[in-house]
Amino acid sequence: GQNIDQPTEMTATEGAIVQINCTYQTSGFNGLFWYQQHAGEAPTFLSYNVLDGLEEKGRFSSFLSRSKGYSYLLLKELQMKDSASYLCAVRDGDYKLSFGAGTTVTVRA
Amino acid sequence: ETGVTQTPRHLVMGMTNKKSLKCEQHLGHNAMYWYKQSAKKPLELMFVYNFKEQTENNSVPSRFSPECPNSSHLFLHLHTLQPEDSALYLCASSQVEADASEQYFGPGTRLTVT
Repeated sequence: GQNIDQPTEMTATEGAIVQINCTYQTSGFNGLFWYQQHAGEAPTFLSYNVLDGLEEKGRFSSFLSRSKGYSYLLLKELQMKDSASYLCAVRDGDYKLSFGAGTTVTVRA
Repeated sequence: ETGVTQTPRHLVMGMTNKKSLKCEQHLGHNAMYWYKQSAKKPLELMFVYNFKEQTENNSVPSRFSPECPNSSHLFLHLHTLQPEDSALYLCASSQVEADASEQYFGPGTRLTVT
């Protein structure tokens, strides 16, 4: 089966940096995704990594190490609107995604 | 309409009722998905349709019955549900051959079974 672990909750201050870790053990690997989900809303796509290294997109960056089965999502210059759940997902074939339970990030003023 | 839409947004049904959830994608994608999201649990993939053909049924009970009449529409037919089926049901779509092939989600249907 698929096993994807990420912390349940994290709290940080506005303007700070938060790093959300994700470790995975899956039967196959064809990319890792991060999604953001605000309460009561649909998950929205944030980033995609298929090769090792860092992908940067504005205030958000995502890192992947396939040999370690490890990824992180880095949120810089935190804003109140970044308070949400962040979902790590691994694709193990052409299109099937397996998700972690999500990390709820709370940004305090 | 843009993106992925779902109706209804909220549904309350008794265990003996029959209802259907509807999803429509306006993105020209060729794959569509049903997920179940329960509190504090990972999104659970239920069904996958690729080019209108069902390619995945993740051991879902037969009281959930999907239908994909074309590549833009997806239904989830519900009958004789149990209270533990109460959850947020999310529809998603993607373009399978694209580089990242990220999935785009609809807003979901919040289902309560009484």
